[in-house]
Amino acid sequence: EDQVTQSPEALRLQEGESSSLNCSYTVSGLRGLFWYRQDPGKGPEFLFTLYSAGEEKEKERLKATLTKKESFLHITAPKPEDSATYLCAVQGASNTGKLIFGQGTTLQVKP
Amino acid sequence: DAGITQSPRHKVTETGTPVTLRCHQTENHRYMYWYRQDPGHGLRLIHYSYGVKDTDKGEVSDGYSVSRSKTEDFLLTLESATSSQTSVYFCAISEGDSSSYEQYFGPGTRLTVT
Repeated sequence: EDQVTQSPEALRLQEGESSSLNCSYTVSGLRGLFWYRQDPGKGPEFLFTLYSAGEEKEKERLKATLTKKESFLHITAPKPEDSATYLCAVQGASNTGKLIFGQGTTLQVKP
Repeated sequence: DAGITQSPRHKVTETGTPVTLRCHQTENHRYMYWYRQDPGHGLRLIHYSYGVKDTDKGEVSDGYSVSRSKTEDFLLTLESATSSQTSVYFCAISEGDSSSYEQYFGPGTRLTVT
């Protein structure tokens, strides 16, 4: 059974304090691993897709990396506007079109 | 902006009444999805569609039905709403010719069943 576990559940950082969020996954034939950002009361906003181990993607202060068992979302020198819930999802070969989501990491960045 | 709208955005209904939620897209994407989001469970797939009149079940499809008579509209129906269906419902679309693409989400519908 495909499964995604995110850690930690919640993370508090001071502005400028870099850290990483973890997404561990079990999937039969990874088709893609996806990172989303979700602000309160809004729908998830797409950030990155990673397809194979060793791949990296960057966007502003965010960098996503992928291994065969997990993905990390690195946040460098975060700002208060980076505060949100970050969701990880996987799509396996046996679940065409279906994303399996983790429960998310809620990040709070204090000024 | 993937051009997705959901209606209504908020709804309160009574147990046992039928409810239909609408998802509308403006860019003719083939794949559309309905998810629910609940504390402690994250986002879970209810149903999805891979074309007009082509739909399939997700992991939490019991108590829900869907219809897609036009490319741009995907309807989610609760035939007889129950309190366990109180949730936030999100529609999503997938771009490209394959389902193996990132999904883009609408703004959500908050449904309360009393």
